[in-house]
Amino acid sequence: GQQVMQIPQYQHVQEGEDFTTYCNSSTTLSNIQWYKQRPGGHPVFLIQLVKSGEVKKQKRLTFQFGEAKKNSSLHITATQTTDVGTYFCAGRDSGGGADGLTFGKGTHLIIQP
Amino acid sequence: DGGITQSPKYLFRKEGQNVTLSCEQNLNHDAMYWYRQDPGQGLRLIYYSQIVNDFQKGDIAEGYSVSREKKESFPLTVTSAQKNPTAFYLCASSKVVNTEAFFGQGTRLTVV
Repeated sequence: GQQVMQIPQYQHVQEGEDFTTYCNSSTTLSNIQWYKQRPGGHPVFLIQLVKSGEVKKQKRLTFQFGEAKKNSSLHITATQTTDVGTYFCAGRDSGGGADGLTFGKGTHLIIQP
Repeated sequence: DGGITQSPKYLFRKEGQNVTLSCEQNLNHDAMYWYRQDPGQGLRLIYYSQIVNDFQKGDIAEGYSVSREKKESFPLTVTSAQKNPTAFYLCASSKVVNTEAFFGQGTRLTVV
């Protein structure tokens, strides 16, 4: 079945440093979504990418969808303590089969002031 | 307020008992989902429903059952057949399947 892998699993950064998490799928995706989960909270939708090579920005966050639609990245510029949490990517196999998103295991972002 | 509500937040059950987790949404969404989250793991799909009176198994459906008799409600029953039921359970809904999902606050189930 479809697998979605995220790296790194944990990332420690100093406040103000940049952060990037990478998402790789074993199959071509029809779309990819990104979610953020704060400690003790529930996932909150950040963005959806659909087109090959698509790049979207939200303030300090930049999201990218690979040309082959098998990988994606989230980059945060100049991290702040409010960025702490776990970032998940989630994608759907473009080849059909079961609907429902497959989530990566997430990247835990830890920020040291 | 529009949203998705899970109850209760914490639930304790004895081994061998079935337990039902509630999920209600007033967002008028057609699609609803149940995910399980274990420490250090991502979200794994248990069941999903694209429309009322219809649902499909996800990746880890064994030991679980659902119903979708009303658009607003998608309860999950954790049966005694589920070998490791202790986990954090998240319900979500979206306008249609695989669009932006809105998650509930989750139910933390502990089976002793």
